[in-house]
Amino acid sequence: DTGVSQNPRHKITKRGQNVTFRCDPISEHNRLYWYRQTLGQGPEFLTYFQNEAQLEKSRLLSDRFSAERPKGSFSTLEIQRTEQGDSAMYLCASSLASRSNTQYFGPGTRLTVL
Amino acid sequence: KNEVEQSPQNLTAQEGEFITINCSYSVGISALHWLQQHPGGGIVSLFMLSSGKKKHGRLIATINIQEKHSSLHITASHPRDSAVYICAAIYGGSQGNLIFGKGTKLSVKP
Repeated sequence: DTGVSQNPRHKITKRGQNVTFRCDPISEHNRLYWYRQTLGQGPEFLTYFQNEAQLEKSRLLSDRFSAERPKGSFSTLEIQRTEQGDSAMYLCASSLASRSNTQYFGPGTRLTVL
Repeated sequence: KNEVEQSPQNLTAQEGEFITINCSYSVGISALHWLQQHPGGGIVSLFMLSSGKKKHGRLIATINIQEKHSSLHITASHPRDSAVYICAAIYGGSQGNLIFGKGTKLSVKP
């Protein structure tokens, strides 16, 4: 257990539905990252927060995706009008802004879109 | 384009064997991470390197900046080492987001 938690761990939804995932980082960590991992591939960066500010978004993050970190603590990732191609493991990581920037990963949320 | 390439993609070893996993990257990284991912998704950071060599137990990670290459070695491998090992780079100028390789799936047989 790294101290980063994600909920739910698994989500099965029908195409077209909206889903929301939550990440609770290690409490003193000011940086929070979302990644997506499809089967057989390494994770890909989606977006990054420093405190409550969303500072970077990947081109992978279409307008159906939105992420928030309202109080600089937990974060949510919402996918609207889900598509089958959204099926993946969604990983959250947190870190303390420092020279090493070691990231601690949560267990992930596995999304299956039917 | 910032890329990270790993080899081999899959590796099967007998218990006790010395294992090497390789990673190459483009210029301009500020740091390189080795991560371990177990079935079910959990990722654990093993090492962060910007130069030289680090050792933790039976794991050794090296990086050669001139050759843009890093290796992860496992000595006296054990079935519990079976996992996916992922190399990930932080490129200079980024906000610390990791660019990942595709991973090396290691299976150690007893």
